[in-house]
Amino acid sequence: ILNVEQSPQSLHVQEGDSTNFTCSFPSSNFYALHWYRWETAKSPEALFVMTLNGDEKKKGRISATLNTKEGYSYLYIKGSQPEDSATYLCASGTYKYIFGTGTRLKVLA
Amino acid sequence: ETGVTQTPRHLVMGMTNKKSLKCEQHLGHNAMYWYKQSAKKPLELMFVYNFKEQTENNSVPSRFSPECPNSSHLFLHLHTLQPEDSALYLCASKGRDSSQETQYFGPGTRLLVL
Repeated sequence: ILNVEQSPQSLHVQEGDSTNFTCSFPSSNFYALHWYRWETAKSPEALFVMTLNGDEKKKGRISATLNTKEGYSYLYIKGSQPEDSATYLCASGTYKYIFGTGTRLKVLA
Repeated sequence: ETGVTQTPRHLVMGMTNKKSLKCEQHLGHNAMYWYKQSAKKPLELMFVYNFKEQTENNSVPSRFSPECPNSSHLFLHLHTLQPEDSALYLCASKGRDSSQETQYFGPGTRLLVL
């Protein structure tokens, strides 16, 4: 993998459902993986910075895992709420980032 | 709020106009970035400044001219743009050059070139 890829591109879930999406990145010369939450017309908000293989981070109902050997990270949202609706971006790098195109999440009430 | 502000939030300009985008960060960071996001594409790095010095120009056309007078302010001067330059322009800043640090973004300027 030469680029950062995210899947799915978009998804709709019902309120209360748990969901997850994937970020794939080049595993060679890995430094850090960043997750952002981006609501329309607002600034992308930093969620997690992950650097260690096997790392798992949590912020409220949102958590993320990292596998640097195979080059992927998962973002999990437990019990989705309408306010979780946003685009979730991941980026690889430390000084210069390579971004994925994002996963657009819509939580239906 | 992320501590990074951008003005204007929206801009419509003709191809012969000259305009400037402004970014200001209140975080004490040393590095500042300009990104472009076109529809359906990932964020694309344009320029990087570190301690007011330009350290990265990602093959950006000369009709985009950045300026960083100090570590807190970053400008993007625009002249003779093309309609395909219509996009969302995001500014970001970052503190120490450490893998534990992350970039903080402004809300962007939505640019439409007619």
